[in-house]
Amino acid sequence: DAGVIQSPRHEVTEMGQEVTLRCKPISGHNSLFWYRQTMMRGLELLIYFNNNVPIDDSGMPEDRFSAKMPNASFSTLKIQPSEPRDSAVYFCASSLWTSGHNEQFFGPGTRLTVL
Amino acid sequence: AQSVTQLDSQVPVFEEAPVELRCNYSSSVSVYLFWYVQYPNQGLQLLLKYLSGSTLVESINGFEAEFNKSQTSFHLRKPSVHISDTAEYFCAVSESPGANNLFFGTGTRLTVIP
Repeated sequence: DAGVIQSPRHEVTEMGQEVTLRCKPISGHNSLFWYRQTMMRGLELLIYFNNNVPIDDSGMPEDRFSAKMPNASFSTLKIQPSEPRDSAVYFCASSLWTSGHNEQFFGPGTRLTVL
Repeated sequence: AQSVTQLDSQVPVFEEAPVELRCNYSSSVSVYLFWYVQYPNQGLQLLLKYLSGSTLVESINGFEAEFNKSQTSFHLRKPSVHISDTAEYFCAVSESPGANNLFFGTGTRLTVIP
């Protein structure tokens, strides 16, 4: 398996622009997580989905952030409009959620720089 | 509510010396515990996990962690570190059974000095 795939790996944009981050989870996994990592705040869970349904979006910073999972093999995290404080590494992770706990597999991340 | 505390943000250690990275958690229910490692410019990878059974769990590269319920701890240890162990280490907890999300600590940056 190719693992969790994220694109782009690096994104540089100007303040006010729309940014879309993409994630392809591991085939067969039914849970997907979006995290943000910064030096100041560490690793933060933004939102997660079970079976394509958003379960907890309490970590989404504000209305400028939105996430979708239209099908089991694709998710997007959108920031509109972007601001310099959104600069961070954004990770997507997936897991096969059953009655027990299941390991989360992380993608390589997207490094976002907002100028 | 669950939380994870990693008291040491940075741990420098000389090559071949032992190391312990501390992790304490708080939870009112049974938990699963995890250590993840993040090498520079990479995503997180699972290092080891405690789900049930033996309280001492080991990884393939010589790390081990012991679940101590009375002290609510899950410290990570290695008797002799290598340069390649330089990375950031995250402790995480989830409610068992059936919980899906993880609560991560703030991470400990281990730097192995030649």
